[in-house]
Amino acid sequence: AQSVTQLGSHVSVSEGALVLLRCNYSSSVPPYLFWYVQYPNQGLQLLLKYTSAATLVKGINGFEAEFKKSETSFHLTKPSAHMSDAAEYFCAVSGRGNTGKLIFGQGTTLQVKP
Amino acid sequence: DGGITQSPKYLFRKEGQNVTLSCEQNLNHDAMYWYRQDPGQGLRLIYYSQIVNDFQKGDIAEGYSVSREKKESFPLTVTSAQKNPTAFYLCASSIQGGDTQYFGPGTRLTVL
Repeated sequence: AQSVTQLGSHVSVSEGALVLLRCNYSSSVPPYLFWYVQYPNQGLQLLLKYTSAATLVKGINGFEAEFKKSETSFHLTKPSAHMSDAAEYFCAVSGRGNTGKLIFGQGTTLQVKP
Repeated sequence: DGGITQSPKYLFRKEGQNVTLSCEQNLNHDAMYWYRQDPGQGLRLIYYSQIVNDFQKGDIAEGYSVSREKKESFPLTVTSAQKNPTAFYLCASSIQGGDTQYFGPGTRLTVL
């Protein structure tokens, strides 16, 4: 069975500060991992995905995430927060070769203070 | 522009009524998905379809029904059997099952 845990339902940072959103997963097969961002009353937009190439994955808007198998983690980071980064972020896991079912974490709301 | 459209954006329904949410994609994707989003619970899979005329139940299919008669369309019906239908509904598609999923803008359903 697969599962995803996002540590912290709300994270608050100052503009220009480091953003760190935590995601831990459980998977019995090598996983695909994803980060999505959602702005209020909108759909989800793909930020980045890990599919077993490089363990450090770069995404859009300056975000990146590192796959650490030993820690079963896939944390999302951005060196310097911008006001436009305020949104809800979802981590998701999918088993390879399956039907494409994504298992989502509960989400983390990022607040950026001026 | 290629993409996924969902309509309507906001939908209101009286208790006991069935309602159908539309999802259309022009990406030529084989697989399509319906998710339900509730505050603090992430997204949960309702139904998915990997090919035309075939679909499978997800984790919370009770009270919902779908059809997949055309590749580009995957409508979701919320029936009166769904006990708590007020939620944000998201449709997604991928080239094939297992590929990256891309999401539509969502429909917010409110039961009055």
